Amino acid sequence: DVKVTQSSRYLVKRTGEKVFLECVQDMDHENMFWYRQDPGLGLRLIYFSYDVKMKEKGDIPEGYSVSREKKERFSLILESASTNQTSMYLCASFGQFNQPQHFGDGTRLSIL
Amino acid sequence: AQTVTQSQPEMSVQEAETVTLSCTYDTSESDYYLFWYKQPPSRQMILVIRQEAYKQQNATENRFSVNFQKAAKSFSLKISDSQLGDAAMYFCASRGAGANSKLTFGKGITLSVRP
Repeated sequence: DVKVTQSSRYLVKRTGEKVFLECVQDMDHENMFWYRQDPGLGLRLIYFSYDVKMKEKGDIPEGYSVSREKKERFSLILESASTNQTSMYLCASFGQFNQPQHFGDGTRLSIL
Repeated sequence: AQTVTQSQPEMSVQEAETVTLSCTYDTSESDYYLFWYKQPPSRQMILVIRQEAYKQQNATENRFSVNFQKAAKSFSLKISDSQLGDAAMYFCASRGAGANSKLTFGKGITLSVRP
């Protein structure tokens, strides 16, 4: 089974801090994604990556950046955290284009 | 571009009965995939069922089946013999068939199951 692991399930940070959310998958998937999930808004794509060192902006990239130095790891960075970034963050990956995405457990991030 | 619309925010079903969750989509892709994902209160998103748009036959996975109407761009999920464990948020999603396509989600529907 595919395993997508997010480093934290709960995280509390302060406004202005630089925050790192880590995601690791163990199936050699090329494609990795970061979403945020908010009530009534569903899942919104922040950034995605099709290969190492490649990244593409999703629908809501403002205030975020990403890093993909190794194929198995995709990091989401909040450069200067703000309270409106309090949310659930989900990482996902898939390999072949005809395969479904596999999700991590999510990180509940609170910015105080 | 792709959009996915789930117009019902909540639904409720009696245990053992059947419920249908609706979803419509729009896409500029000539070939694409459609998915239903389930997110229980424990939060991990899991795949329920998948439909390839080029297949006319509706996908079925045990108690879960879809009604795929390509011309109408409709992709509803039917849950038969509903169980308490079916209570969750359900998301409809679409993705183009190209190698670099991204998954687009609807806003989700909360399904509750009454004992």
